[in-house]
Amino acid sequence: GAVVSQHPSWVICKSGTSVKIECRSLDFQATTMFWYRQFPKQSLMLMATSNEGSKATYEQGVEKDKFLINHASLTLSTLTVTSAHPEDSSFYICSAGLAGGDEQYFGPGTRLTVT
Amino acid sequence: AQKVTQAQTEISVVEKEDVTLDCVYETRDTTYYLFWYKQPPSGELVFLIRRNSFDEQNEISGRYSWNFQKSTSSFNFTITASQVVDSAVYFCALSEFNTDKLIFGTGTRLQVFP
Repeated sequence: GAVVSQHPSWVICKSGTSVKIECRSLDFQATTMFWYRQFPKQSLMLMATSNEGSKATYEQGVEKDKFLINHASLTLSTLTVTSAHPEDSSFYICSAGLAGGDEQYFGPGTRLTVT
Repeated sequence: AQKVTQAQTEISVVEKEDVTLDCVYETRDTTYYLFWYKQPPSGELVFLIRRNSFDEQNEISGRYSWNFQKSTSSFNFTITASQVVDSAVYFCALSEFNTDKLIFGTGTRLQVFP
């Protein structure tokens, strides 16, 4: 099956610093990648949709200047949390998929803790 | 607007019991997809099933079965003879054909005790 990796799997950073999370599709080319955030014991909330070579589409309430998404190739998307604050501490999950409502393949997630 | 409701927040059963997880969805589209995912304590989402809106046939895969009923907008998931390894959070999700975005329910935490 299709494999999506995320790096790092966990990260601790100080308040005010920026953190970059990578999402890679290892054995297929992903037309679209999605970024989700999951707070403890809550559901996954879609943050943004990114298509290779174009600007990401952010969901309502998600600050595009704070959560920078770059989708430079068909196998790599990055999420940068800029000027992180403790309230940004969360589990960030990416997924990659092909067009047409097909199955999305999820990465293992990145646990971000901001101190 | 699209919405997925999983009314059961938490379910506890004893091993070998059957358990059904409920999922009710709302959408205005006629073409859509429904999914179930399992999230064990490790956090990684495990894909279980995808169903399109034109296929109402029930599906069975080992101890897992799914009941899709468009008349009640439900897509329920049953685990037969539950096992401790089934303990996880289970999410139901909806995707409308023209967006590919997944809308997740709030999840049901299943605990299976030995």
